[in-house]
Parts: sequence; structure tokens; C-alpha cells
Amino acid sequence: EPEVTQTPSHQVTQMGQEVILRCVPISNHLYFYWYRQILGQKVEFLVSFYNNEISEKSEIFDDQFSVERPDGSNFTLKIRSTKLEDSAMYFCASTAEGSKGYTFGSGTRLTVV
Amino acid sequence: AQSVTQLGSHVSVSEGALVLLRCNYSSSVPPYLFWYVQYPNQGLQLLLKYTSAATLVKGINGFEAEFKKSETSFHLTKPSAHMSDAAEYFCAVRRGTGGGADGLTFGKGTHLIIQP
Repeated sequence: EPEVTQTPSHQVTQMGQEVILRCVPISNHLYFYWYRQILGQKVEFLVSFYNNEISEKSEIFDDQFSVERPDGSNFTLKIRSTKLEDSAMYFCASTAEGSKGYTFGSGTRLTVV
Repeated sequence: AQSVTQLGSHVSVSEGALVLLRCNYSSSVPPYLFWYVQYPNQGLQLLLKYTSAATLVKGINGFEAEFKKSETSFHLTKPSAHMSDAAEYFCAVRRGTGGGADGLTFGKGTHLIIQP
């Protein structure tokens, strides 16, 4: 069964550093998303992306965050200057169309020290 | 804006007993509703979804959910709990008003504990 692949599975970074989280969505999917889950809390929507532009972003997705689809397969989330509170599990998801369900990756655990 | 409320952050049932996890939604448009399961240190796996077809939806691992518009509910059930069902369960509603790029808004999750 097709999967959404996220790399790395775990990343540790110094506060203030830039990080890029990478995702390879399912190949025929058109819509892409990032979510985050702070330890022990609920999954929160960050951003949706379609046709090479942001469709919707939440209040969490401030100027420190950006997304990009640099080629035909990768979808990245960049955090420019990480803060301690950015420590969380970040999930990528994709769908061909929302009614068919959303496929999530296994996540990247980001630890900011 | 669409939202979901999961009643009970922790639910404990005995192995073999009925599992009932509650989810109520709020939506200004006909909702699309989902249940996801998260095992420890893993990602989110889709259990089942309601997308305006049959109101009783069957999913994987013996789970099912019934959409009740009058009660704005989408509770998840399983007739007989197994130890392997122990996990975190999230109810989610599609955001927005039906656009193709709509993501999901999740509830706070319910931790299901299975007692032997």
C-alpha cells in the first residue's frame, strides 16, 4: 500500500537554528499538509498546500514557518529559527481528494535544545 | 469553524467488553468525519471515515461508527475489546467548507486502556 515517507524520523537541533523536515507524499496525491503534535497533546493543523501554493494556514504557522515543493516528489517544512516550544512530532499528510481520506506519514520528532 | 469534542481523555475497558469512544462535532456545513488511531511512537492510521454516504460506517480492526446528525455525534464502537486495541484514538472533522485542500481539525484524543 502506498505510504507517505518522512525523513528524518528524529532530529535534534540547537535553538535558533534552521531545520528542514522532509516528506515524500503519495505520488498521485494533489493536496499536502503539515500537522504537529506536542508531546501528550492533540494533533494540530499547520498548513495545507495545493497547486504549488498555500491553501490554508493556521495561527501556529507564522513567519518562522515555510513550505515548499521543490520538485515533483518532495514536500518540505522549514522552520527558520527554532524555539524550544517548536519541539514536537511533525506529521506530513497527503490526499488525492479529502473524501477519500488523508494518509499520514510516521512523523519526524523534532527536539530543540 | 468546524470542531470536534472527545468526551473522556481516558477510557478503560476489560478485554472482551464493548468499546465506546465518544465524539461530538460542530460544523456549519455537512461534515466529513474521521477516526484515527495512534499506537505508541507511531503515526496516525485511518480507522474509518464518514463522507455523507451510509450513516453506519465500518472500519478496520472491527471498529465502526455511526453518524447521528440529530445528536451531532460520531461515536466509535467495537463489540469486543482486544489487548491490541490499546492506543490513542482521535476524532477529526474536515476543515473549511468542502474545498479540495481542506485539512483536518482533531479532537484532543482518547487514550484507550484495555484491562486483562
